[in-house]
Parts: sequence; C-alpha cells; structure tokens
Amino acid sequence: GAVVSQHPSRVICKSGTSVKIECRSLDFQATTMFWYRQFPKQSLMLMATSNEGSKATYEQGVEKDKFLINHASLTLSTLTVTSAHPEDSSFYICSARDNAEAFFGQGTRLTVV
Amino acid sequence: AQKVTQAQTEISVVEKEDVTLDCVYETRDTTYYLFWYKQPPSGELVFLIRRNSFDEQNEISGRYSWNFQKSTSSFNFTITASQVVDSAVYFCALNPAAGNKLTFGGGTRVLVKP
Repeated sequence: GAVVSQHPSRVICKSGTSVKIECRSLDFQATTMFWYRQFPKQSLMLMATSNEGSKATYEQGVEKDKFLINHASLTLSTLTVTSAHPEDSSFYICSARDNAEAFFGQGTRLTVV
Repeated sequence: AQKVTQAQTEISVVEKEDVTLDCVYETRDTTYYLFWYKQPPSGELVFLIRRNSFDEQNEISGRYSWNFQKSTSSFNFTITASQVVDSAVYFCALNPAAGNKLTFGGGTRVLVKP
C-alpha cells in the first residue's frame, strides 16, 4: 500500500516553544491530508483537514492560531504547535488518502515539559 | 452526523482463544466505507480492512474475519486462535463515500496472555 511518513516520531520541548511535525506521502500525491490527535487510552480525534494550496479546515474547538497547518506541496503537510503547553502533550498522527483508502503516518509523540 | 461505537473497551483472552470485537455505526449516507485498524503499542495505525457499504460479503484473511450486517449496522471483527502479537488496540472507523473524514470508534484494547 501507499506510504505516509511522519517526522519526528518523538519530540520533547519546553513550554512556550514551537514544534513542527512533518507528514509526507512518499509514493503518491495527496491534495488533502488529515491531522489527528490522540490522548492516552483514547480514540483519534480529527483536528483539521489540510488542503494543498489553500487554508486548512479546522474542527470545532481546535485553535487554528495554535495549531498551524501548511500544505505547500502535493506530498507534504506540516503541523506546527505554537507556544506549546504541557496540555498539548499528546500523540499526533497524520493521514493521507490514496483512492478510497486512508494511510497513516507513524505518529509523533509530543511531550511538553 | 456519524457515529461509531465500540462497546468493549478492553478484552483479555488467553492465547489460542477466539476473540470478537464489536462495532456498531450510525450514518445517514447510503454509500460509505467501513474500516478496521490495529494500533500496536508503538502507536502506528495498521490498516486491516476496508468494506464498501454495498458489499455485505463476509471476509476472511488468515486468522482474521469480518462480519458485516447492514441490517443491524454492525461490522464485527473476529481473531481466531489469538496470539500474543495480536495484543493491541483495534479501531473501527467509518467514512462516507462522498467525503474524506474518518470517524473512529473509541477502540477496543485486546490483551492476549500466553
């Protein structure tokens, strides 16, 4: 199947700093990518839909100024967590569609200290 | 609005036992896709199956089998002769054919003891 690569897999940052997470579709082009957040022992919650060449669409309750999404090319979307706080610590995972199938990145475990 | 319910939060079995994971969904769409994913402790999501709403045939893949019952809006997953490596969280998900968003169930944690 198609491959989606997410980087980094783990990151620890200090409170108040920003962290960028990259999501790449390696062998297909993705005009749309999705960013999910997963708290420990919980399900995946869609944060936003990343659209190539246009603004991302955020789900209700997700702060767009805090979670900046850029989808500058057909194979790369980035999520930047700005001014991170400990409550932003979570597992972030991206997804891209290839035909009717959704492929997921490996996920990024963010810890804010 | 769409909803996926996995009533079992955690199931514990002994190796070689069969285990069935329930998934019930709600949608107003007539065409949709159903998925099962496995999430091992490492965190990545592993695709297991996709089922089109018009295809109610049950499917078997090795020790995995799926039972799709449109009449009861259920898409259950059975692991036969479970193994320790099957220990993971399993998610059922729904996606309307006309849209892109996946709605996930709450997940079922399966623990297979040796």
